[in-house]
Amino acid sequence: DQQVKQNSPSLSVQEGRISILNCDYTNSMFDYFLWYKKYPAEGPTFLISISSIKDKNEDGRFTVFLNKSAKHLSLHIVPSQPGDSAVYFCAASTNSGYALNFGKGTSLLVTP
Amino acid sequence: NAGVTQTPKFRVLKTGQSMTLLCAQDMNHEYMYWYRQDPGMGLRLIHYSVGEGTTAKGEVPDGYNVSRLKKQNFLLGLESAAPSQTSVYFCASRWDPTDVGKLFFGSGTQLSVL
Repeated sequence: DQQVKQNSPSLSVQEGRISILNCDYTNSMFDYFLWYKKYPAEGPTFLISISSIKDKNEDGRFTVFLNKSAKHLSLHIVPSQPGDSAVYFCAASTNSGYALNFGKGTSLLVTP
Repeated sequence: NAGVTQTPKFRVLKTGQSMTLLCAQDMNHEYMYWYRQDPGMGLRLIHYSVGEGTTAKGEVPDGYNVSRLKKQNFLLGLESAAPSQTSVYFCASRWDPTDVGKLFFGSGTQLSVL
């Protein structure tokens, strides 16, 4: 059963606008959440993370918000750039876990 | 610094053939992983290793075997390939559990089983 869910397979945003990618999880034991970015023919690369003790983490144009009561997190990209076009994976883990649980990914297209 | 290197990058097999995918990392990481990516399925964990000489099953281990004889290498074997194993395979590594989540991935192996 998928414990990390990304219900939007794709998203299209105009350059300069905000991109919001959503992720839901079912396992209340998760306490660490991450976003990975993947370009075609490359491996995923780490983008940003957040611990369950926080509700927001910011890194440049990228901000991740965590709502533990709703078991929901989101990635905001402001402003969006064409180079942000990629597949974004949400992932989660427990602090003692050995591996990450990944969502199915959301393909973001940023149009000029 | 090469990071995580996967070989081969592409391979076509016939049903029933066997092969081994090699993953090598030069970061002295303890933990290594094999994931597969299928359309609409995201990344699913096949097997992982928490140190030299150790292996453990992940979410979708059936049809695969692994070995970690050396710390820097993690091998994924398919003994008798099936069309359902057509996928993109990613190897990943990280230092230890306290570095939670920050996996370093290889560039992937595209495998087609006919």
